[in-house]
Amino acid sequence: DAMVIQNPRYQVTQFGKPVTLSCSQTLNHNVMYWYQQKSSQAPKLLFHYYDKDFNNEADTPDNFQSRRPNTSFCFLDIRSPGLGDTAMYLCATRLGSGANVLTFGAGSRLTVL
Amino acid sequence: DQQVKQNSPSLSVQEGRISILNCDYTNSMFDYFLWYKKYPAEGPTFLISISSIKDKNEDGRFTVFLNKSAKHLSLHIVPSQPGDSAVYFCAAKDTGNQFYFGTGTSLTVIP
Repeated sequence: DAMVIQNPRYQVTQFGKPVTLSCSQTLNHNVMYWYQQKSSQAPKLLFHYYDKDFNNEADTPDNFQSRRPNTSFCFLDIRSPGLGDTAMYLCATRLGSGANVLTFGAGSRLTVL
Repeated sequence: DQQVKQNSPSLSVQEGRISILNCDYTNSMFDYFLWYKKYPAEGPTFLISISSIKDKNEDGRFTVFLNKSAKHLSLHIVPSQPGDSAVYFCAAKDTGNQFYFGTGTSLTVIP
């Protein structure tokens, strides 16, 4: 009965080879977030969607793109992964206006070789 | 610029004793604070939260204290149990619904 599901849990890719990470939610939450977390660092917000409205953080590299085809799904596309993109990628959701809690998925650990 | 800081990367506590995890923040516009717990290979799970208009919130063995004048937040776990061993993240939400996280404190509860 997992509520925020991320796939794959583990992904190894080669330098420059595109990768897509997926997130699905059964909570019917309006807001979906993608965070990048590197070892011993705080999760860093890449972007988020409020319904279909996309909000990109100013320092998110152009290499990172996102899609939200419907309420339930959100994708993170890394077009040309570099070694520095090795990290845990966390998807989170929030109900919407007035809601103060993020619900996280289990994360996708990406390793770029 | 880290707006939420957890200055202790790790903490070890004997089972049954109190664990105190600390968090400092810089932005006085934060209106909500949260603690998340993370086990290895899992995502963070919500533990407890507090609104900026309160100074204490308690849920079972977990109590969060907020000192707005000091811009300081703490999580008390009493009594600590071995299953509490995990990484604890402090988070803060601003009025624009942006969330900011600390770097985490790894708690080890020794049986």
